[in-house]
Amino acid sequence: AQKITQTQPGMFVQEKEAVTLDCTYDTSDPSYGLFWYKQPSSGEMIFLIYQGSYDQQNATEGRYSLNFQKARKSANLVISASQLGDSAMYFCAMRLDSNYQLIWGAGTKLIIKP
Amino acid sequence: EAQVTQNPRYLITVTGKKLTVTCSQNMNHEYMSWYRQDPGLGLRQIYYSMNVEVTDKGDVPEGYKVSRKEKRNFPLILESPSPNQTSLYFCASSSSTGLNTEAFFGQGTRLTVV
Repeated sequence: AQKITQTQPGMFVQEKEAVTLDCTYDTSDPSYGLFWYKQPSSGEMIFLIYQGSYDQQNATEGRYSLNFQKARKSANLVISASQLGDSAMYFCAMRLDSNYQLIWGAGTKLIIKP
Repeated sequence: EAQVTQNPRYLITVTGKKLTVTCSQNMNHEYMSWYRQDPGLGLRQIYYSMNVEVTDKGDVPEGYKVSRKEKRNFPLILESPSPNQTSLYFCASSSSTGLNTEAFFGQGTRLTVV
């Protein structure tokens, strides 16, 4: 069955440190896309980064990078030099080529400490 | 400004009283969907629509109805709300169902059914 697993319900990190948020996925489809979204306390969903299953390079967007390990079926989000404004819920999601529905993980609540 | 607009943002209602949550997008997107977000469960799809007059069930459609009479609007209807429908609801739209297509989200509607 298609599934996204985020094993860290919550994390505390010191400001300016790097953060890795874990995401593993389960699918037998060869073609899929992986997304990370941020949800601040105000509630909106903000798209952060995308990785395609056939992409050779790990995706990067500013301070965000995606550590994509296809054999391990993991797509961890790395935030470099964390800031107080990074405190939020973070969701990993997957879209399959065979089914355009987005499948979501349970999320990780990240708190950055000053 | 490109956006997805949901109304209302907050709603408290009583069991059995019909309600509608509106969703409108100004990006001429074909694909729209509704999600509910519950703690520890991430986002679960309720209904989606590929285009005008084309709707289909997601993972948790029971107790909900939708319609897509115009491309820009995709209202969510709860004919007889129950307390287990207390949740945070999101409307989302995307330009296509391609793997790398970003979903744009509304601000969310926090519904409480008492």
